[in-house]
Amino acid sequence: EDKVVQSPLSLVVHEGDTVTLNCSYEVTNFRSLLWYKQEKKAPTFLFMLTSSGIEKKSGRLSSILDKKELFSILNITATQTGDSAIYLCAVVGIDAGGTSYGKLTFGQGTILTVHP
Amino acid sequence: NAGVTQTPKFQVLKTGQSMTLQCAQDMNHNSMYWYRQDPGMGLRLIYYSASEGTTDKGEVPNGYNVSRLNKREFSLRLESAAPSQTSVYFCASSQQARVQETQYFGPGTRLLVL
Repeated sequence: EDKVVQSPLSLVVHEGDTVTLNCSYEVTNFRSLLWYKQEKKAPTFLFMLTSSGIEKKSGRLSSILDKKELFSILNITATQTGDSAIYLCAVVGIDAGGTSYGKLTFGQGTILTVHP
Repeated sequence: NAGVTQTPKFQVLKTGQSMTLQCAQDMNHNSMYWYRQDPGMGLRLIYYSASEGTTDKGEVPNGYNVSRLNKREFSLRLESAAPSQTSVYFCASSQQARVQETQYFGPGTRLLVL
């Protein structure tokens, strides 16, 4: 059974701090790892990672995947109060038939709170 | 473009009552999904529909049924609600599940079963 564990479960920082969120996984036939940001309602897509060692970057957010050690990190630099949210990590594995059908296995999420 | 829409936004049920959660997407996506989100457990897949006319069980299908009414709409039915089904339900869609396209989520339905 696929499994995703995120740490820490919650984090409180002040504006301007840099944070690192962790995601470790166990998945049969790994296909991809995704990061989502969830504020009050729907999760919104941040990154999809499929190759090891290649950093994805968007503004102050960046993420990297280590397929050998089975983990990913999400970095946020110069945090702002608008970064307060739940950050979700999810993995996709490929079934015996060679398809994933988009079945995401999510971690518990990290609740990030950024104080002014 | 509305993206993924869900109705209702909030619902209170008594144990044993039934209800249907509605989901629609206007992005011409082939694949649709239903998840539930509980505190400390992330999102768990209930059912999915890889394409119009097909549905399959996810991780936690017990107590639920689904209907892929057409390409746009995917409904989730609770035949006899139980308190354990109190949760936030999210519908999502993607262009083509086999290629692992990004999933887009609706705003969620908050369900309370008393």
